[in-house]
Amino acid sequence: RKEVEQDPGPFNVPEGATVAFNCTYSNSASQSFFWYRQDCRKEPKLLMSVYSSGNEDGRFTAQLNRASQYISLLIRDSKLSDSATYLCVVNRGGGYQKVTFGIGTKLQVIP
Amino acid sequence: SQTIHQWPATLVQPVGSPLSLECTVEGTSNPNLYWYRQAAGRGLQLLFYSVGIGQISSEVPQNLSASRPQDRQFILSSKKLLLSDSGFYLCAWRGVGAEAFFGQGTRLTVV
Repeated sequence: RKEVEQDPGPFNVPEGATVAFNCTYSNSASQSFFWYRQDCRKEPKLLMSVYSSGNEDGRFTAQLNRASQYISLLIRDSKLSDSATYLCVVNRGGGYQKVTFGIGTKLQVIP
Repeated sequence: SQTIHQWPATLVQPVGSPLSLECTVEGTSNPNLYWYRQAAGRGLQLLFYSVGIGQISSEVPQNLSASRPQDRQFILSSKKLLLSDSGFYLCAWRGVGAEAFFGQGTRLTVV
């Protein structure tokens, strides 16, 4: 089983829609979780961290479900500019140095 | 603030030629440094990571090597490039919160 799994999509949604992505992880000892955004032919950029209690940044909401070992990203009122690939990242923390990325979910917001 | 520099942005190299990609970080000391590769339409594959000068961990056996001659310098090399080495190479450093920050990447095409 892969350490981090995502549905690669693409998710095609109309402007203004709400869309959600999930990302499952295999190691229950994982401690740090993040969502990144990657535009075509560009480097990934940190979108937001994911906290145990859930967190929100404008139209974006991230949640962590430790029992089921997944994180989610909800985007409300989708904009054309939200079109990108969204990567989830899991880090085991402690002395473990690897930062593991999911394959990414491609979102296309349609006018 | 911390910045990460990676060059060149694009590179076209013939099969069998050597490779050297350089990455430097400013504004931080003793960072964890990473090299990733992203093949077209694929996820990020961790190639190497380093927790200090001269300390390199390799994730997958391949035609590449890495070196860290200075605290804030990370170099990716190959003696003889293969067609399969084509891809988008990304250097990253890891912050205090375990999130990763990327350079702008090098798009390598082996012909």
